[in-house]
This record gives sequence, C-alpha cells and structure tokens, in this order.
Amino acid sequence: DGGITQSPKYLFRKEGQNVTLSCEQNLNHDAMYWYRQDPGQGLRLIYYSQIVNDFQKGDIAEGYSVSREKKESFPLTVTSAQKNPTAFYLCASRLGFHNQPQHFGDGTRLSIL
Amino acid sequence: AQSVAQPEDQVNVAEGNPLTVKCTYSVSGNPYLFWYVQYPNRGLQFLLKYITGDNLVKGSYGFEAEFNKSQTSFHLKKPSALVSDSALYFCAVRDGRDTNAGKSTFGDGTTLTVKP
Repeated sequence: DGGITQSPKYLFRKEGQNVTLSCEQNLNHDAMYWYRQDPGQGLRLIYYSQIVNDFQKGDIAEGYSVSREKKESFPLTVTSAQKNPTAFYLCASRLGFHNQPQHFGDGTRLSIL
Repeated sequence: AQSVAQPEDQVNVAEGNPLTVKCTYSVSGNPYLFWYVQYPNRGLQFLLKYITGDNLVKGSYGFEAEFNKSQTSFHLKKPSALVSDSALYFCAVRDGRDTNAGKSTFGDGTTLTVKP
C-alpha cells in the first residue's frame, strides 16, 4: 500500500536537545510539507520542498530545520532553539500538479520531558 | 494572500439529521478548495475538492460541498449524519495561479459531534 509513514508516533525531548522526526513516502510525490498542529489553531506550515535538494521556509520555520536528500524522505529536526516544541507534527506530500490534494501521515506527538 | 475562515468551532447534530460545516475563503486568483477530516491522533484524510466545473462536488463517505463564488463559500454537507462522522473537519484553499509549491492555507477546524 502506498502512503506516508511518520516515526516515531510519540517523542520526548529534553531541554537543550535536538530531535529528528522521520517522514517517508512511497507515493512518488514531488512535494512534501511539514505542519505543526496546536489545539484550536489549525495547521501551520513549517517547511516545504518541491524537489530533491530544495526546500523553503514556511510560516513558522524558526527553531526547525529540514533536508531533502531523497525524493522519498523529508526529515524534520526540532532544534533546542525552538522553545515551545510541544505539538502534533504532521508530514504531507502531494503529486506535482497543484490541483491535487495533500496526503498526510499519522503524525508525531512531541512533548517536553 | 489567501485565507480561510471556519466560523464555527463546534457543530452538533443528531444522527439522521442533515449536517453543514461552514467555510469561507479569500484568494486572489481562482480558488482550489479542499475538505479534510481528522480523527483523534491521526493525520488528515482528504474528503473532496473543487477545482472547476459543477458547483456541487461529491466526495467520500456521502459528503458533498457547494461552491458559491459570489459568497466565497464552500460549505460541507451531508444529508444524513452518522455517529461515526464525529471528527475534526478542515477546509483548505490554494490559489489556482500559485506556482510556489502549491501551498495551502487551512482553517482552524470545526469539531463535528453527531449524537445518537
């Protein structure tokens, strides 16, 4: 079955620590996205990538970093500079044509220890 | 710039009754409009989209949505609600002219509760 796999499902971060959230897709989609979801605030875009080795900042990129070395993979690092990282993180992908919907993974819930 | 408003945080309906979840949008070019559903601790699932053509769009699980250009609205509807429809619903808009990775703007979500 084609889809998007996010891991781990739950993650805990200690103060001063960087953590990396994994996102892998086997849909052969070109574009990939990272969103942060907080209660009552909908989805906010962190980073997105249209092609391999290229990515752009979204609306709330500070304290986060990404890489896109392979079409299938778009990992997100939450750095120690992100002072309020507790949230639900969603990865999505989309086929190249921009009238297509996004496909979402089942998310990673990040909490502070 | 593009934006989406979901004016109701919560919608409550009785099972078997029709439901409506409201969405209004603002976009410079032609709108591409989407509805997604989210169950607890899960990702969003695509329900339906409007790109062009017939203003009434039919989607998954018996849902439909009506595009109204003059009112800039795209309300989600279902003739007969099920308890299993209880979830969080998101409306999203994308500018049809946008070539910048097709970024979508999402509303804040509406929690639908269907009571038996």
